[in-house]
Amino acid sequence: DQQVKQNSPSLSVQEGRISILNCDYTNSMFDYFLWYKKYPAEGPTFLISISSIKDKNEDGRFTVFLNKSAKHLSLHIVPSQPGDSAVYFCAASALGGATNKLIFGTGTLLAVQP
Amino acid sequence: NAGVMQNPRHLVRRRGQEARLRCSPMKGHSHVYWYRQLPEEGLKFMVYLQKENIIDESGMPKERFSAEFPKEGPSILRIQQVVRGDSAAYFCASSPQQGNYGYTFGSGTRLTVV
Repeated sequence: DQQVKQNSPSLSVQEGRISILNCDYTNSMFDYFLWYKKYPAEGPTFLISISSIKDKNEDGRFTVFLNKSAKHLSLHIVPSQPGDSAVYFCAASALGGATNKLIFGTGTLLAVQP
Repeated sequence: NAGVMQNPRHLVRRRGQEARLRCSPMKGHSHVYWYRQLPEEGLKFMVYLQKENIIDESGMPKERFSAEFPKEGPSILRIQQVVRGDSAAYFCASSPQQGNYGYTFGSGTRLTVV
């Protein structure tokens, strides 16, 4: 049962344009969402997060949007840079839970073309 | 300030052998998590530990897998009698406290069972 879904395995974008990565979830108990970036042969790196009490969080070139009614979130990267090329994972958790367990999506491979 | 250190980076084991994966959390972090990434999949939660305590092991296979985080020394993920299906990347992460989800991942141990 895949509770967090990233339906696009890959995305190709031109340098300078906007990259939009999408994520859907099914568990209505999730109330905290994160995006991680991963380069080959490295561990994931935390990028940005959002609590369910917000619908937008921005950090530099990265913005995460949350639509709770649609159980959908997206990561916008603008402008995209070649160094952004990596696999991006969406993750979710129930903050009120007893543990810090994260549920990850399967990832989207972003390729930013120079 | 060293990050989360995992060793070895690569581990090859024959079927039936034991695999020991080590994780030293970031300085000041007392919470450790283990995740597994199978080929073409996202990261799957395995276990969450604090010093000398297993808090949540709901993602651990019932047999052959165990984890510990002793008072002194690194956290150890132990896989007994490995099988080919155990081949995966195993990532450790740490955080300073419960409720902090932007935790820091190590670079992972890539286990290959031949």
